[in-house]
Amino acid sequence: QTVVTQEPSFSVSPGGTVTLTCGLSSGSVSTSYYASWYQQTPGQPPRTLIYSTNTRSSGVPDRFSGSILGSKAALTITGAQADDESDYYCVLYMGGGIWVFGGGTKVTVL
Amino acid sequence: QVQLQESGPGLVKPSQTLSLTCTVSGGSIFSGDFYWSWIRQPPGKGLEWIGYIYYSGATYQNPSLRSRLTISVDRSKNQFSLKSNSVTVADTAVYYCARYNEINHVFDVWGQGTVVTVSS
Repeated sequence: QTVVTQEPSFSVSPGGTVTLTCGLSSGSVSTSYYASWYQQTPGQPPRTLIYSTNTRSSGVPDRFSGSILGSKAALTITGAQADDESDYYCVLYMGGGIWVFGGGTKVTVL
Repeated sequence: QVQLQESGPGLVKPSQTLSLTCTVSGGSIFSGDFYWSWIRQPPGKGLEWIGYIYYSGATYQNPSLRSRLTISVDRSKNQFSLKSNSVTVADTAVYYCARYNEINHVFDVWGQGTVVTVSS
């Protein structure tokens, strides 16, 4: 089964920029994978940030943006704030009714 | 505003069957634009897609879990359910129900999650 890869962790300074990526163990991510991104804090369900690669969900600040960078989907946080410290998950649609989540990236703001 | 709420036993013994229900409120499970899904998260680990059911009753499950799973829908109660037999400690997790929006290709509504512990 294809594995969806994410960086385990990232650290960013307040006001800084960080780009998280979502790749495949084999092959390249394209818009056909309909990448979506979710933010999760401890004890809470995931919150939808980005869908269909680059569309922000309602109410999501514009410092969050999605894109394709090279062979991967990407989530960029521009101007990181303290409450952006969370776990971030991507999920890709593999076709045939199957979705696969990445392992998640823990973002620390310090 | 559609809301989802999981319910079911918090403790299941090994080899027994895990049964969870998700109640949909504020909207109908009959809509053809959504897949009603189950997702789980073991303690300290990431999210894992389990499977979905369409309002018509069509289902699809994660191939790695498929042999133990049954997902069903009760249209009269606006609920869908998950059963997993022969559970082991590896099935201990927070179980979320979620709505997959087929138009926007996103899990756009999530339940709060319910903790299931497999232990004797």
